[in-house]
Amino acid sequence: AQTVTQSQPEMSVQEAETVTLSCTYDTSESNYYLFWYKQPPSRQMILVIRQEAYKQQNATENRFSVNFQKAAKSFSLKISDSQLGDTAMYFCAFTLGMGAGNMLTFGGGTRLMVKP
Amino acid sequence: DGGITQSPKYLFRKEGQNVTLSCEQNLNHDAMYWYRQDPGQGLRLIYYSQIVNDFQKGDIAEGYSVSREKKESFPLTVTSAQKNPTAFYLCASRSIGMRNEQFFGPGTRLTVL
Repeated sequence: AQTVTQSQPEMSVQEAETVTLSCTYDTSESNYYLFWYKQPPSRQMILVIRQEAYKQQNATENRFSVNFQKAAKSFSLKISDSQLGDTAMYFCAFTLGMGAGNMLTFGGGTRLMVKP
Repeated sequence: DGGITQSPKYLFRKEGQNVTLSCEQNLNHDAMYWYRQDPGQGLRLIYYSQIVNDFQKGDIAEGYSVSREKKESFPLTVTSAQKNPTAFYLCASRSIGMRNEQFFGPGTRLTVL
């Protein structure tokens, strides 16, 4: 069974600064997909960024980037130029393959507070 | 606009009652999922369905039931057998083979009185 661990229950950052959220996972498979989801106070889950394990290049989406270390089974999220709207719960998630039967396994989440 | 709708947004239930949470998607997605989220915690999978008239138990299926009579709809019934049903429930859908992304509905907050 796959597990996802987020070791930082809460974090805070000053507006315009950079913050990194940690995520580690455990799997014996070599091909899989990793995601970061954001859940703001509205509780709507929003996909932030995704990474395919077969790709060596780290994914980036505007101010969001990941540091994917496959050997270490680590998948951290870096948020640059933090904005007040980044305040949310962030969940790391893992899935195998493309089939619908490959469910998402979520970490416990990190609550991020961006301070003005 | 394509998306996932869940209703109601808030639901109150008396102990011993069954309640049904609605989930509808117009994304033409094959797979649909139900998750439960407790305060300060991650999401746990209740049930999922890959095609119409087929569904599978997730990690915490006890006390819940689902149906998938139409591709667009995947209602979740919380039965009286669920010992602690107060939680936030999220529905999601995914098109098999398309970037492997799940799209989520806005959620339903269920409170047992």
